[in-house]
Amino acid sequence: ETGVTQTPRHLVMGMTNKKSLKCEQHLGHNAMYWYKQSAKKPLELMFVYSLEERVENNSVPSRFSPECPNSSHLFLHLHTLQPEDSALYLCASSQVKFGRDTEAFFGQGTRLTVV
Amino acid sequence: AQSVSQHNHHVILSEAASLELGCNYSYGGTVNLFWYVQYPGQHLQLLLKYFSGDPLVKGIKGFEAEFIKSKFSFNLRKPSVQWSDTAEYFCAVNARPGGGNKLTFGTGTQLKVEL
Repeated sequence: ETGVTQTPRHLVMGMTNKKSLKCEQHLGHNAMYWYKQSAKKPLELMFVYSLEERVENNSVPSRFSPECPNSSHLFLHLHTLQPEDSALYLCASSQVKFGRDTEAFFGQGTRLTVV
Repeated sequence: AQSVSQHNHHVILSEAASLELGCNYSYGGTVNLFWYVQYPGQHLQLLLKYFSGDPLVKGIKGFEAEFIKSKFSFNLRKPSVQWSDTAEYFCAVNARPGGGNKLTFGTGTQLKVEL
């Protein structure tokens, strides 16, 4: 048990579908992240939320839309994806306090396949 | 932009052999450094971290890493590996500490330990 729970674990969607990935952290952290892990590429940071405010968007296409309704929950809304968006999407959380970070804790990921 | 290089993509060792995995990063300022491990079918777990102080850090399961600032390196070591160390190992850098864990990852090293 990692303290960061992602659902669903696996998702297959068509290019015209709309779906959402969910992440919940039980660690009392105040920052949450979405990362993308594609085959043979390093994990890439997509979005950062700190105190429920989006503080970073690493040039991610608008077909990915994050939402952070509170400090424990993070969503990634998906629409009109492309096959190259197939990847493992990882959620993470950490604590930022007085300018210092703790390490990030990761969920098990959602394996997304776009057909 | 910062980058992280892991020079060994696949490593095969026999049990009791010594391990050293290389990691170099490109950022010249203050950094936080991490090694994460991903066992088959499991989530990313923190192995060890460097924030400041003693450049030789010890982590879980007998792993250690040494931060050499002049070489921009953070190599991972273990004197005697076990079959259970078979996993993928990721080096990561936070080049903007204090503002959240915005990690840049290396491509990972797949370690296989044979009996």
